[in-house]
Amino acid sequence: AQRVTQPEKLLSVFKGAPVELKCNYSYSGSPELFWYVQYSRQRLQLLLRHISRESIKGFTADLNKGETSFHLKKPFAQEEDSAMYYCALSPTGNQFYFGTGTSLTVIP
Amino acid sequence: ETGVTQSPTHLIKTRGQQVTLRCSSQSGHNTVSWYQQALGQGPQFIFQYYREEENGRGNFPPRFSGLQFPNYSSELNVNALELDDSALYLCASSLTGDGMRYTFGSGTRLTVV
Repeated sequence: AQRVTQPEKLLSVFKGAPVELKCNYSYSGSPELFWYVQYSRQRLQLLLRHISRESIKGFTADLNKGETSFHLKKPFAQEEDSAMYYCALSPTGNQFYFGTGTSLTVIP
Repeated sequence: ETGVTQSPTHLIKTRGQQVTLRCSSQSGHNTVSWYQQALGQGPQFIFQYYREEENGRGNFPPRFSGLQFPNYSSELNVNALELDDSALYLCASSLTGDGMRYTFGSGTRLTVV
């Protein structure tokens, strides 16, 4: 069965420090993986997709099939990065399996 | 370009009642998905509609049903409400073939008492 695990419910880092939000998944095939972000009082929005190999707002995520991980990283955290982050997996293209989310707080 | 709008924003219902939630898709999007987000959890997939047909369903009982209209707007209906149905219900629209770029609505907060 498909499952997405985000082991940290809460994560705090200081401004300028590196940040890594962990995501592990369970899926037997080749998944499509995503990171979604929800800023305070805003709706859930797509941050990045692994198939695009893109960097959005300084964030990157590498799919590691051996470790079944898709960790989100940013070298220098900014205060505006404080938000709820959800890792999501899509096996079929028509639905997402979301993790429980990590609340990131960047301390000034 | 309009985003995804959901109505109502908040709703209180009594156990056993029925509820209808509405979603207006982003302009140009032909696919709509519904998710349930319980407190402290990630969104859980309920079902998806494409061209007015159900195109995938999550692990939800038949009392959760939906409709998609020719203008791509959508409804989520829940019958025989239970206390555990209390959650935020999210609608997301997308354009098939666009790499699953979902646009989410702000959600409807349903409380069942």
